[in-house]
Amino acid sequence: DVKVTQSSRYLVKRTGEKVFLECVQDMDHENMFWYRQDPGLGLRLIYFSYDVKMKEKGDIPEGYSVSREKKERFSLILESASTNQTSMYLCAALKNTGELFFGEGSRLTVL
Amino acid sequence: LAKTTQPISMDSYEGQEVNITCSHNNIATNDYITWYQQFPSQGPRFIIQGYKTKVTNEVASLFIPADRKSSTLSLPRVSLSDTAVYYCLVGDFRNTGFQKLVFGTGTRLLVSP
Repeated sequence: DVKVTQSSRYLVKRTGEKVFLECVQDMDHENMFWYRQDPGLGLRLIYFSYDVKMKEKGDIPEGYSVSREKKERFSLILESASTNQTSMYLCAALKNTGELFFGEGSRLTVL
Repeated sequence: LAKTTQPISMDSYEGQEVNITCSHNNIATNDYITWYQQFPSQGPRFIIQGYKTKVTNEVASLFIPADRKSSTLSLPRVSLSDTAVYYCLVGDFRNTGFQKLVFGTGTRLLVSP
């Protein structure tokens, strides 16, 4: 199976800080995704990428950017963290069988 | 991408069979139907995928009628550990390239003793 690794399980940052969330997959999959999950709101798509240097906005891209310089790595960037970005962030990679593989998640708290 | 609709929540007891239905009226010809299970503080995990009729694996069955406008995930003899949120996702997953995968609200299943 595909292994998707997120760099940090828990982060605490201050308002205005720049935050990097890293995600690495161990297979050669084109499609990668960043979601955030908040209680009662389910999984919401922030950004996705279908190839190196290609990125597309999801449903809630405001306040975020992404980077895909290598196929195995997809990074989510919060340029200036705000308290309303406190959330669980989930990265996923899509296998060509149609299965999405998720990382363990990164729980971000912005103070 | 086909929009999906599921019940918000369901309750069951241990040992019962649970059927969760997902509606996807605008499913496209090349779309597959995939179900995921999510426990608290974890990422969703793939359960089963199908295109038409019936698919069965070691944990679940997936029933898809001929018109493919809905699908039903069947969990036989649930246990307390099946308490989770279940999502159905519809899309042309096997095609490389542009893939915007948006999840619906999911169904929260609570299994009681």
